[in-house]
Amino acid sequence: GAVVSQHPSRVICKSGTSVKIECRSLDFQATTMFWYRQFPKQSLMLMATSNEGSKATYEQGVEKDKFLINHASLTLSTLTVTSAHPEDSSFYICSAPQGSTDTQYFGPGTRLTVL
Amino acid sequence: AQSVTQLDSHVSVSEGTPVLLRCNYSSSYSPSLFWYVQHPNKGLQLLLKYTSAATLVKGINGFEAEFKKSETSFHLTKPSAHMSDAAEYFCVVSRTGTASKLTFGTGTRLQVTL
Repeated sequence: GAVVSQHPSRVICKSGTSVKIECRSLDFQATTMFWYRQFPKQSLMLMATSNEGSKATYEQGVEKDKFLINHASLTLSTLTVTSAHPEDSSFYICSAPQGSTDTQYFGPGTRLTVL
Repeated sequence: AQSVTQLDSHVSVSEGTPVLLRCNYSSSYSPSLFWYVQHPNKGLQLLLKYTSAATLVKGINGFEAEFKKSETSFHLTKPSAHMSDAAEYFCVVSRTGTASKLTFGTGTRLQVTL
């Protein structure tokens, strides 16, 4: 199956700083990628759809100025959490569909802890 | 519009006994249905998917699921549980033929005991 990677796998930062998370499709191109947030013992919540070459589409209630998404190439999307606060601590996961199929492949996730 | 209901938040089975994780869905479109597994602090791994072909779908690690349109169900089964099956399982629906948003169920935690 297709492989999606995320970097870093774990990050700890101080309150007020910004953190960038990368999502890469390693063996396929993805014009669209998705970013999710998962709180402990809960399901995944879609935050935004990342579109290569255009603006991301954010879900209702997600602050676009706080969660900056850039999809600069067909294999890379980045999520930057700006001015992070402890309530932003969470598990962030990206996914990408391979080709014209509707099957999405998930990255291994990034655990963000804001002190 | 689409939604997914996972009927059990927690299922506990003994090793070697059958596993049944229940999922019901609703969709205004022709649905694609998926089961993903998530081990602690890991991403999601695709177990199997239904995309309007055979209604009985076989996946990895001995899992299978049957699409029943009349019952709007897509239950996940395995004949014999293994300790390594202990994880969180998500039933997911999307619109067939599009790389569209996924709608997740709330998850079922499978516990496997000796």
